[in-house]
Amino acid sequence: GAVVSQHPSWVICKSGTSVKIECRSLDFQATTMFWYRQFPKQSLMLMATSNEGSKATYEQGVEKDKFLINHASLTLSTLTVTSAHPEDSSFYICSALARRELYNEQFFGPGTRLTVL
Amino acid sequence: ILNVEQSPQSLHVQEGDSTNFTCSFPSSNFYALHWYRWETAKSPEALFVMTLNGDEKKKGRISATLNTKEGYSYLYIKGSQPEDSATYLCAFGGTDSWGKLQFGAGTQVVVTP
Repeated sequence: GAVVSQHPSWVICKSGTSVKIECRSLDFQATTMFWYRQFPKQSLMLMATSNEGSKATYEQGVEKDKFLINHASLTLSTLTVTSAHPEDSSFYICSALARRELYNEQFFGPGTRLTVL
Repeated sequence: ILNVEQSPQSLHVQEGDSTNFTCSFPSSNFYALHWYRWETAKSPEALFVMTLNGDEKKKGRISATLNTKEGYSYLYIKGSQPEDSATYLCAFGGTDSWGKLQFGAGTQVVVTP
């Protein structure tokens, strides 16, 4: 199956700092990647769709200036949490979209646990 | 707002027993239903993608059925083993969502020896 890596797997930062999370598709090219956020005991919530070479599209209620997404190559998307605050502490996970004949399939990274002190 | 519901939230199974759990999703604008298996500290692993009403898929001891008219899918684990312990996620893809998926909160399965 397709492999997606995510780095770092966990990060602790001080309030007010910015944190960058990388999502890489290791063995296939992905023009589209997705960023999700998960709170405890809740479902994965889509934050934004990352499109290679163009601006990301954000879901309703997600602040684009807070969560900066860059998809500069076909194998790498980055999510930067700017001026992080304790309420941004969460589990962030990305996926890369692979297009099949009959359906699209998402392959996931292992996620990043962000703790903001 | 799409509602994808999974039940139960968690279940404990004795090794060797079989079990099943449910995913319910909107019955309109259906395109695909995905099942993932997610072990702690690992990436969610795709199990099945189901697109047709009445679909049945099987992978080893795990199988799934799909009813798009009433909006539900069952996932079955036959003869559960400790390595089946994981959270099982379902995700709904609609015809109008272009590749985006709406996830349920998952069913956590714990298989005890």
